[in-house]
Amino acid sequence: DIQMTQSPSTLSASVGDRVSITCRASDDVATWVAWYQQKPGKAPKLLISQASSLQGGVPSRFRGSGSGTHFTLTITSLQPDDFASYYCQQYNSYSPWTFGQGTKVEIK
Amino acid sequence: QVQLQESGPGLVKPSQTLSLTCTVSGASVNAGDDYWTWIRHHPDKGLEWIGYIHYSGASSNNPSLRSRLSMSIDASQNRFSLNLTSVTAADAAVYYCARLAFDIAALDSWGLGARVTVSS
Repeated sequence: DIQMTQSPSTLSASVGDRVSITCRASDDVATWVAWYQQKPGKAPKLLISQASSLQGGVPSRFRGSGSGTHFTLTITSLQPDDFASYYCQQYNSYSPWTFGQGTKVEIK
Repeated sequence: QVQLQESGPGLVKPSQTLSLTCTVSGASVNAGDDYWTWIRHHPDKGLEWIGYIHYSGASSNNPSLRSRLSMSIDASQNRFSLNLTSVTAADAAVYYCARLAFDIAALDSWGLGARVTVSS
């Protein structure tokens, strides 16, 4: 199975900060990576698909980048609504879909 | 707006079968391009993809669960279901259903999740 190693597991930041979350795939997944946001008691929400394609209604401060094995989710200016957990997910036709372990973004 | 809602017993005895249903509103489970997916979230192990099913009968699932897993779609009720046999404590998790947008290989709508405990 392709493993997605996500870091950091916890991130403490302040409103207005630029933050980045990284996922490294154990094998090439091209750009088949998605990013999700989850808040306590809520359903996960798709933010970005295909590594960098922002979903409709998602603020432009969320940016995805990367290809191959290295992917990054960047929040350019952290807002109060962004304190949540974030997960990456990969798709590869030769492997089960897998997720990163998650990053919890906390208020500093 | 697509909404999904998981339902089923919150407590299952070891060795028994876990059965969950996901009721969909705002979309049809027999829509041509939609695949319907199950994911679970273990407290200490993160998110795990269980599998997906298409109304045509096409499906794919996690090899680690394949021998115990069955999925089905009931278009008349606009819902899909999961059966996982011979459960153990390792199957305790929050189970989510979701819609898979296959063209972008991403899950664009999710349910709120159903917590399942495995205990005698």
